[in-house]
Amino acid sequence: GQNIDQPTEMTATEGAIVQINCTYQTSGFNGLFWYQQHAGEAPTFLSYNVLDGLEEKGRFSSFLSRSKGYSYLLLKELQMKDSASYLCAVRDSNYQLIWGAGTKLIIKP
Amino acid sequence: DGGITQSPKYLFRKEGQNVTLSCEQNLNHDAMYWYRQDPGQGLRLIYYSQIVNDFQKGDIAEGYSVSREKKESFPLTVTSAQKNPTAFYLCASSIGQGGPYEQYFGPGTRLTVT
Repeated sequence: GQNIDQPTEMTATEGAIVQINCTYQTSGFNGLFWYQQHAGEAPTFLSYNVLDGLEEKGRFSSFLSRSKGYSYLLLKELQMKDSASYLCAVRDSNYQLIWGAGTKLIIKP
Repeated sequence: DGGITQSPKYLFRKEGQNVTLSCEQNLNHDAMYWYRQDPGQGLRLIYYSQIVNDFQKGDIAEGYSVSREKKESFPLTVTSAQKNPTAFYLCASSIGQGGPYEQYFGPGTRLTVT
């Protein structure tokens, strides 16, 4: 079956750096997405990786290793507004997104 | 401003009633999707449509129906056959299914059936 694994919850301190991991086993691979979702709201797009390596976008970076079925989202200079759930999703061979359950990130002052 | 609208934000129904959730987009996107989100689980695909007058079942289509008569609109009907309809429903759209094109989401409808 298809599976996306992420930690359920993480806690970090304002101003620090946090890395959220995602491992996947899917039938085919056509890209990996990271989304941010605040409680009760819609997910919003953060990043897209289809080739191995690091994609940097401001305070957020995303890394992909296709051979290891692994990605991480790196958040720097954490702010209180970064408290949210972070969703990892893989596009499979049918071009459908398979979603992880999300990682709830709690930022403490 | 372009975007996706879903209404209503909260919806309450009695068991045994059908209910239709609306989804409208003005992004000129071809592809549209319906997802269901339950606590502790990833988003699950209910139905998707790549073009007007065509749609396909997702992983959990039983008890749901859709139509795509206009490019902008993709309403979802939750029928009385859906055994556990209480959930947060999200509509999304994208330029297409492939490529670096992300899905844009509406604000969601929280449906409670008692």
